[in-house]
Amino acid sequence: DIQMTQSPSSLSASVGDRVTITCRASQGIMNYLAWYQVKPGKVPKLLIYSASTLQSGVPSRFSGSGSGTDFTLTINSLQPEDVATYYCQKYITAPITFGQGTRLEIQ
Amino acid sequence: EVQLVESGGGVVQPGRSLRLSCAASGFNFDDYAMHWVRLPPGKGLEWVSGINWNRGSMTYADSVKGRFTISRDSAKSLVYLQMSSLTPEDTALYYCVKTRHLNYDAFDIWGQGTMVTV
Repeated sequence: DIQMTQSPSSLSASVGDRVTITCRASQGIMNYLAWYQVKPGKVPKLLIYSASTLQSGVPSRFSGSGSGTDFTLTINSLQPEDVATYYCQKYITAPITFGQGTRLEIQ
Repeated sequence: EVQLVESGGGVVQPGRSLRLSCAASGFNFDDYAMHWVRLPPGKGLEWVSGINWNRGSMTYADSVKGRFTISRDSAKSLVYLQMSSLTPEDTALYYCVKTRHLNYDAFDIWGQGTMVTV
């Protein structure tokens, strides 16, 4: 099975900062990668699909890049409402796999 | 409005069974694969099971294979997750999710979740 490894597991940044979260697949997955935002008590939200396509309604400060095995989620100009845990997900085949999550806090 | 509403969660003793239901509305149910994803307390998201649009393929995480069964009823726009031989490790918030377009695709719509405590 293909494993997804996210880093860092947690990070703290200031409002206005640029934040980068990485995700590495143990095998190539082309661009079958998504990013989700999970806030406590809220329904998970799809941010990015096909590695770099912004889901409708998601602020443009979120962006994704990568292909094959290495992927990145970038948040430009971090906002207080971006405090959440972020997960990557590969969906090229079953079993579908999520990364272990990156907890983002505001300094 | 596209909506998924889960039901059937609750508190159950180890070894017992439980059936979750997910009512879909606001989209052509027959055109989309459906999945279940769970979020254990204090842990990360875990994909549980999926069923493609024509019920031709059901897939499962290794952790639930042989114990859980996914199914769908097109006439009622319902998805089910039959869970048996439950263990404390199955304790989680269970989400019903819809894929964007393809059988293997990102999950664009999530239900509110139903809590299962074993």
